Amino acid sequence: NAGVTQTPKFQVLKTGQSMTLQCAQDMNHNSMYWYRQDPGMGLRLIYYSASEGTTDKGEVPNGYNVSRLNKREFSLRLESAAPSQTSVYFCASSDGRVSEQYFGPGTRLTVT
Amino acid sequence: KNEVEQSPQNLTAQEGEFITINCSYSVGISALHWLQQHPGGGIVSLFMLSSGKKKHGRLIATINIQEKHSSLHITASHPRDSAVYICAVRGNYQLIWGAGTKLIIKP
Repeated sequence: NAGVTQTPKFQVLKTGQSMTLQCAQDMNHNSMYWYRQDPGMGLRLIYYSASEGTTDKGEVPNGYNVSRLNKREFSLRLESAAPSQTSVYFCASSDGRVSEQYFGPGTRLTVT
Repeated sequence: KNEVEQSPQNLTAQEGEFITINCSYSVGISALHWLQQHPGGGIVSLFMLSSGKKKHGRLIATINIQEKHSSLHITASHPRDSAVYICAVRGNYQLIWGAGTKLIIKP
């Protein structure tokens, strides 16, 4: 039982490059989330998926797209990376709307 | 003004001390979460509570809904408790996160 896994752990991109961050959970959770964490700030929600087949914007969705591929997997795509997207990205999952969230180990992304 | 405020921002204490971290919020909530982020970056959920008090080992979390305030206490603190402690409140759907309290426990 791996919980929530994320790949890659580290990534360096040049401005304008694209990439996809992968997230998978094996807890049969309905809801999945993508957050970014910047120094001195709290976690900010980028997108979430309340259930398989649905996705919704969070607080800071601009510059990102997501795909809920199936119940297990929720990917985050940066189509044209910008230095402002340098951050640590966390994926999380929960059983429902009012439930504890379980976090992946994070992806440290640097855009130069 | 942030909807979730934590205090203090930074706290350094000696091993064995009783630790209190505070969280105040300004919105109506259905639940409040306390999480721990280790120096390596991993985030672990400690408590989810909507009323009263919860205890797990040396950790105690309390919430006062009327005063919109929660506290996280650590008894007999240990260097391995050094981490960032994050408060998050659940509004209509999404979690609203505090900026965290960085705790350092010196041996």
